Amino acid sequence: EPEVTQTPSHQVTQMGQEVILRCVPISNHLYFYWYRQILGQKVEFLVSFYNNEISEKSEIFDDQFSVERPDGSNFTLKIRSTKLEDSAMYFCASSEALPGGFDNSPLHFGNGTRLTVT
Amino acid sequence: GIQVEQSPPDLILQEGANSTLRCNFSDSVNNLQWFHQNPWGQLINLFYIPSGTKQNGRLSATTVATERYSLLYSSSSQTTDSGVYFCAVEKSYNTDKLIFGTGTRLQVFP
Repeated sequence: EPEVTQTPSHQVTQMGQEVILRCVPISNHLYFYWYRQILGQKVEFLVSFYNNEISEKSEIFDDQFSVERPDGSNFTLKIRSTKLEDSAMYFCASSEALPGGFDNSPLHFGNGTRLTVT
Repeated sequence: GIQVEQSPPDLILQEGANSTLRCNFSDSVNNLQWFHQNPWGQLINLFYIPSGTKQNGRLSATTVATERYSLLYSSSSQTTDSGVYFCAVEKSYNTDKLIFGTGTRLQVFP
C-alpha cells in the first residue's frame, strides 16, 4: 500500500537555527498538510497546500514557517529561527481530494519527524 | 470553534477484553476519522466514517452524525492494540483542517 514518507525521523537543532522537514506524499494525492503534536498533547493542524499554494493555515503557522513543493514529489516545511517551543512531532499528510468533500478521501499520515530544539 | 471530546481519557484492559471508545463533537461535521497512534508515535488511519457503521476485523466504528458522536468498538483486545486513539473531525466543506480530539490512552496487558 502506498504511504507518506518523512525524513528525517528525528532532528535535533539549536535554538535560532533553521530546519527543513521533508515529506514525500502519496503519488496521486493532490492535497498536502502539516500537523504537529507537542509531547503528550493532541495533534494540531498547521497548514494545507493545494495547487502549489497554501489553501488554509492555522494561527500557529506564522511568518516563522513556510511550505514548499520544490518538485513533483517532495513537500517541505521550513522553520526559521527555531524556538524551544517548536519541539514537537511534525506529521505530513496527504489526501486524494478534500477530506470533507463528496469523495471518500481520508487523510494518510507519515510516520512523523521528531524535532528537538535545544 | 468546534470541540471534540473523547472518553474515557485512559483505559486499561486485559488481553481478550472488549472496549468502546466515544467521541463527542459540538457541531455538525462533514468528515470523521479514527486514528491509532502506536507507542512509536505513528498515526494509523483506522476508519473514515462521517456517518453509519463500518467494520474492519476486530474493530468497528459507528457515527451518529445527527447526535454528534462516534463510537469505536474493539473486540478481543491484544497487547499490540495499546497506544492512543484519536478521533478527528472536519467541520465543513469550506475548510481543509482536521480537528483532533483529546485522545483515549489504551493499555492492554497480557
